[in-house]
Amino acid sequence: SYELSQPPSVSVSPGQTTSITCSGDKLGDRYTYWYQQRPGQSPILVIYQDTKRPSGIPERFSGSNSGNTATLTISGTQSVDEADYYCLAWDSSTALYVFGTGTKVTVL
Amino acid sequence: QVQLQQSGPGLVKPSQTLSLTCAISGDSVSSISASWSWIRQSPSRGLEWLGRTYYRSKWNSDYALSVKSRITINPDTSKNQFSLQLNSVTPEDTAIYYCARTSGWFVFDFWGQGTLVTVSS
Repeated sequence: SYELSQPPSVSVSPGQTTSITCSGDKLGDRYTYWYQQRPGQSPILVIYQDTKRPSGIPERFSGSNSGNTATLTISGTQSVDEADYYCLAWDSSTALYVFGTGTKVTVL
Repeated sequence: QVQLQQSGPGLVKPSQTLSLTCAISGDSVSSISASWSWIRQSPSRGLEWLGRTYYRSKWNSDYALSVKSRITINPDTSKNQFSLQLNSVTPEDTAIYYCARTSGWFVFDFWGQGTLVTVSS
């Protein structure tokens, strides 16, 4: 089955830039989505189709996807960005959605 | 604005059936551009997509391999909602269950509030 791997945690200082990676076999050949989940809340879509932001998502969130790795970048990180982040891709061979393992972002 | 409102019991006994409902407002379960999914989250399994239902001239469903033998997701057009049934549950099915919408390229753009379901006798 298809798997997506993320680092368990990253730390960042306020105002700095942080990047979260999502790794999977030939991930660049499929669209990747990113979700933010604050404690006790439902996830929120922050990036779709690799690079696009839904309306209402701040411009400091950006995405890229190439080769075996997709990346979510938060520029000028704020304390409100402290949350868990999950990537997602569609596995066309099995017609299933696959979530990444999740990354906890801590703003120090 | 789309809203998804979940309902169902928070406690299910082992070997019984877990049943949840997701009521939709602001969209239609029969929309030909949408699909309606159930997703669960637990500390041991993280976020796990369970399956979906959608209408494209007829009703269709897709299920995750991990639960395919035990799961049914059904639409209810009269109430504009969809449901999850998971049979023969074990404590490993204990999780927060979410319903979510996909519309076009917006995958899981709206989520329900989540329901903690505990499997215990």
